[in-house]
Amino acid sequence: AQSVTQLGSHVSVSEGALVLLRCNYSSSVPPYLFWYVQYPNQGLQLLLKYTSAATLVKGINGFEAEFKKSETSFHLTKPSAHMSDAAEYFCAVTSGGSYIPTFGRGTSLIVHP
Amino acid sequence: NAGVTQTPKFQVLKTGQSMTLQCAQDMNHEYMSWYRQDPGMGLRLIHYSVGAGITDQGEVPNGYNVSRSTTEDFPLRLLSAAPSQTSVYFCASRGARGVDTQYFGPGTRLTVL
Repeated sequence: AQSVTQLGSHVSVSEGALVLLRCNYSSSVPPYLFWYVQYPNQGLQLLLKYTSAATLVKGINGFEAEFKKSETSFHLTKPSAHMSDAAEYFCAVTSGGSYIPTFGRGTSLIVHP
Repeated sequence: NAGVTQTPKFQVLKTGQSMTLQCAQDMNHEYMSWYRQDPGMGLRLIHYSVGAGITDQGEVPNGYNVSRSTTEDFPLRLLSAAPSQTSVYFCASRGARGVDTQYFGPGTRLTVL
């Protein structure tokens, strides 16, 4: 079985501040982990994914995430928030034999001027 | 490639009416899924398919039917619309490997009066 928990349904930061969105997973086998972003009135698109090639994964728009097996975490970070980063962010997991990703409930990122 | 396309973008129904939400993908993906997105609930899986002729239920299948006669198309049928089915519906597709990215359509915003 696999599951994902995103801590905090809303995260509010000032423009230029560090962005940290938290994701913890549960999987009985080595997982593949994903972060997706959803801008207002759009579908989800891939930000980045962990494929076991490297624990630090860089994605689009300056985002990155680090896979920490000991903490079962895959937190998303960005050093400096921009107004255009305001969106809903979803963490997801797949693992061996699973057909469909399991998604977290999402975290809404609010960026203040 | 058009990716994942959905029609219509918006729809208003009266209680008891039926309709079909269309979904098509041109990436030759084996796996396709339907989700609904409601405020505070994240993405909830309605039905999914792992190939032509094969479908299965997700988390919230009641009131919905699907079929998969071709690789490309995966329509979602609302049998007798209810106000509780007011939501935004997303279709998605991906390859068969755990590492494969899920691609989402732009969504259909459905209101049931």
